Amino acid sequence: AQSVSQHNHHVILSEAASLELGCNYSYGGTVNLFWYVQYPGQHLQLLLKYFSGDPLVKGIKGFEAEFIKSKFSFNLRKPSVQWSDTAEYFCAVTGSTNAGKSTFGDGTTLTVKP
Amino acid sequence: DAGVTQSPTHLIKTRGQQVTLRCSPKSGHDTVSWYQQALGQGPQFIFQYYEEEERQRGNFPDRFSGHQFPNYSSELNVNALLLGDSALYLCASSFQDRANQPQHFGDGTRLSIL
Repeated sequence: AQSVSQHNHHVILSEAASLELGCNYSYGGTVNLFWYVQYPGQHLQLLLKYFSGDPLVKGIKGFEAEFIKSKFSFNLRKPSVQWSDTAEYFCAVTGSTNAGKSTFGDGTTLTVKP
Repeated sequence: DAGVTQSPTHLIKTRGQQVTLRCSPKSGHDTVSWYQQALGQGPQFIFQYYEEEERQRGNFPDRFSGHQFPNYSSELNVNALLLGDSALYLCASSFQDRANQPQHFGDGTRLSIL
């Protein structure tokens, strides 16, 4: 069965600190990988996605993620966080042939202190 | 271009009642997926509808059922409500034949069971 594990449940950082959120997945086949962000009171928004090609993908708002196939990982990074990055972050995986069935991790709540 | 819209925003029901939630997909999308997001957890896949048929189903009991209409909109029905059904219910839409494009999510319906 497919699963996604996010290692950090709650991360607290000061502004300008660097961020790395861990994500490992288990899936029997070719995968598409995603990071979503959910700001308070808002819907899930796509931060970035990996389908194929360059394993280092860049998303919106300065976020990037690296797909390491041998480690089944897709960690999210940002060199310098801002107060406005306070939100919940979800890693998700789908099979390469079905975009409509995603398996999500339990999320990481990021709090950035000004 | 309208995104995914869900109604109602909030709903309060009592145990044993039945509820219907509604979703209109993003313009052009033909596939609708439903997710349940309990407090402190990531979204869990309930089922997916395409061409008015349930195509895939997650690990949810038969009390959860759905429907897709010719205009691609969808309903989620839950019978014999339990306290544990309290959650945010998310609708997501996508293209069935474009697996390399991500789902778009609505704002969700917050269901509270008393």
